[in-house]
Amino acid sequence: GAVVSQHPSWVICKSGTSVKIECRSLDFQATTMFWYRQFPKQSLMLMATSNEGSKATYEQGVEKDKFLINHASLTLSTLTVTSAHPEDSSFYICSAPKGISEKLFFGSGTQLSVL
Amino acid sequence: AQSVTQPDIHITVSEGASLELRCNYSYGATPYLFWYVQSPGQGLQLLLKYFSGDTLVQGIKGFEAEFKRSQSSFNLRKPSVHWSDAAEYFCAVGNSGNTPLVFGKGTRLSVIA
Repeated sequence: GAVVSQHPSWVICKSGTSVKIECRSLDFQATTMFWYRQFPKQSLMLMATSNEGSKATYEQGVEKDKFLINHASLTLSTLTVTSAHPEDSSFYICSAPKGISEKLFFGSGTQLSVL
Repeated sequence: AQSVTQPDIHITVSEGASLELRCNYSYGATPYLFWYVQSPGQGLQLLLKYFSGDTLVQGIKGFEAEFKRSQSSFNLRKPSVHWSDAAEYFCAVGNSGNTPLVFGKGTRLSVIA
């Protein structure tokens, strides 16, 4: 079946540093990627939608200068948390629709801890 | 706006007992409905989905869910719970199968011997 590979699965960083999270569609072309954030014991909240070759669309309240999204190819979308702070500590997860299959494929998630 | 309500934050059941997790949604048209399971620190695994047709849908791991339009509900059921079913369960709604989903807050399932 289709797979979305997300890396890293777990990262600890110092406050003020930047962290890049990658999501790759391994056996299909993902023209769109959805990025979610999940705080402990909370639900997944959509942060932004990336589209290959164009600017990402951010949900209300999400700082686009802080959460940089790049979707430079049909198989790779990246989320960079810039100047991370402890309040950015969260579980980040991506998902991509596979064509018109009407099915979303999720990455395994990245647990970010900012010290 | 779309919304999903999972009334139960935490449920504990005995192994072998039946299970029902509740989900209510708010949506203007016929929704696409999903149930996902998440183990600690893990991604999401799709259990089942409803797009149209038979309102009782079968999923993986012995789960099923029933779409009831009149009640705006999509409750998840399993006749006999196994200890490995302990996890977080999310109900979600979307416009289609390949647009971003709106998730409920989740129900944590604990299974006791």
